[in-house]
Amino acid sequence: QKEVEQNSGPLSVPEGAIASLNCTYSDRVSQSFFWYRQYSGKSPELIMSIYSNGDKEDGRFTAQLNKASQYVSLLIRDSQPSDSATYLCAVKSGGYQKVTFGTGTKLQVIP
Amino acid sequence: GAGVSQSPRYKVAKRGQDVALRCDPISGHVSLFWYQQALGQGPEFLTYFQNEAQLDKSGLPSDRFFAERPEGSVSTLKIQRTQQEDSAVYLCASSLEGGSTYEQYFGPGTRLTVT
Repeated sequence: QKEVEQNSGPLSVPEGAIASLNCTYSDRVSQSFFWYRQYSGKSPELIMSIYSNGDKEDGRFTAQLNKASQYVSLLIRDSQPSDSATYLCAVKSGGYQKVTFGTGTKLQVIP
Repeated sequence: GAGVSQSPRYKVAKRGQDVALRCDPISGHVSLFWYQQALGQGPEFLTYFQNEAQLDKSGLPSDRFFAERPEGSVSTLKIQRTQQEDSAVYLCASSLEGGSTYEQYFGPGTRLTVT
């Protein structure tokens, strides 16, 4: 079992819709969770971090964390074609500095 | 302010050559990480520094890979006797130690092609 799992996609949504990206992780002591956006040929860009159960909103982005279910998600409201990218889920365990990345979900927003 | 910088951006090496990849972290960032990213995959952890101390090198794929950060700022990832399977993008990230946040910020990466 991979430590951080994501559906590779592609996930296609029409412009203006809500895109929902999901991630599960295997290490129960994980404490810090991150979403990165990566455009083709570019490096990952941090868009959200979440540390406690519940929702965290930042503009059109909402991160949701459920530690009991070992599940973290990212919602993108009013999706734009410029949101088309690969979204990477990353998880940091306990006091250890190492961050483990999923393989990413490719999102396509159709105009 | 300036972000993480990496050089060179692109490197072509013949099999068997040694290469050195440089990373300049964000000023004041204590932690520095190296990752390897193959096409279609997420970044894979290679090694981690806190200041000049290399605290974790568990992700280095072989003893041909070596990293250093002698003054706690700039870091170099060296790959000796390159092989074709070393072809990948090598990403550097830095993080401000302390508090409750561990957000890492990535440089643009170095694309290594071994021919």
